[in-house]
Amino acid sequence: NAGVTQTPKFQVLKTGQSMTLQCAQDMNHEYMSWYRQDPGMGLRLIHYSVGAGITDQGEVPNGYNVSRSTTEDFPLRLLSAAPSQTSVYFCASSYAGDFGEQYFGPGTRLTVT
Amino acid sequence: GEDVEQSLFLSVREGDSSVINCTYTDSSSTYLYWYKQEPGAGLQLLTYIFSNMDMKQDQRLTVLLNKKDKHLSLRIADTQTGDSAIYFCAEIPPSSGGSYIPTFGRGTSLIVHP
Repeated sequence: NAGVTQTPKFQVLKTGQSMTLQCAQDMNHEYMSWYRQDPGMGLRLIHYSVGAGITDQGEVPNGYNVSRSTTEDFPLRLLSAAPSQTSVYFCASSYAGDFGEQYFGPGTRLTVT
Repeated sequence: GEDVEQSLFLSVREGDSSVINCTYTDSSSTYLYWYKQEPGAGLQLLTYIFSNMDMKQDQRLTVLLNKKDKHLSLRIADTQTGDSAIYFCAEIPPSSGGSYIPTFGRGTSLIVHP
């Protein structure tokens, strides 16, 4: 198993550009989540999904969209990048019956100039 | 939202014990977790404890839970330089609306000196 994979590892965007952060898992996990990690702020939940076709907002959803058309993939879209979205983004997945045992991807470091 | 509180830094000497503390806010949380994040990597689950337990031991790791004070701690015995990382406490509050998504603390950076 590859586990949770994220692409790209690094990305630099200009303000106003859009892009999609990719996340995939091969463990047949029902739950998938996107977090951002900022210094001194810990992890903040952006969006999450409890199954294909079902998504919901987390703590900091503004400026981001998600979709879950398959169990495996959970892309995160930045609609119009802003410097405040400079962060490290982590995707995570888990079984529905083991909510706290999340498997994290290696992260995408995004810089918006 | 609920806040999970942790101190930001802890510095220890190699071979000593480390104790990382966490205070959570929802006394009805049934699951409490410790995650470890090594530099440049994602989080990895270290251990967890159910709310009906007071203590759990797993090799060098000991988790203590004080439900009355809503206090969780992680003790690492014989701390090694490889234990240097950020440690996150997490809870799954029942108030999460059935989503069962964990709430994470801000993380404690453990620095181990040789």
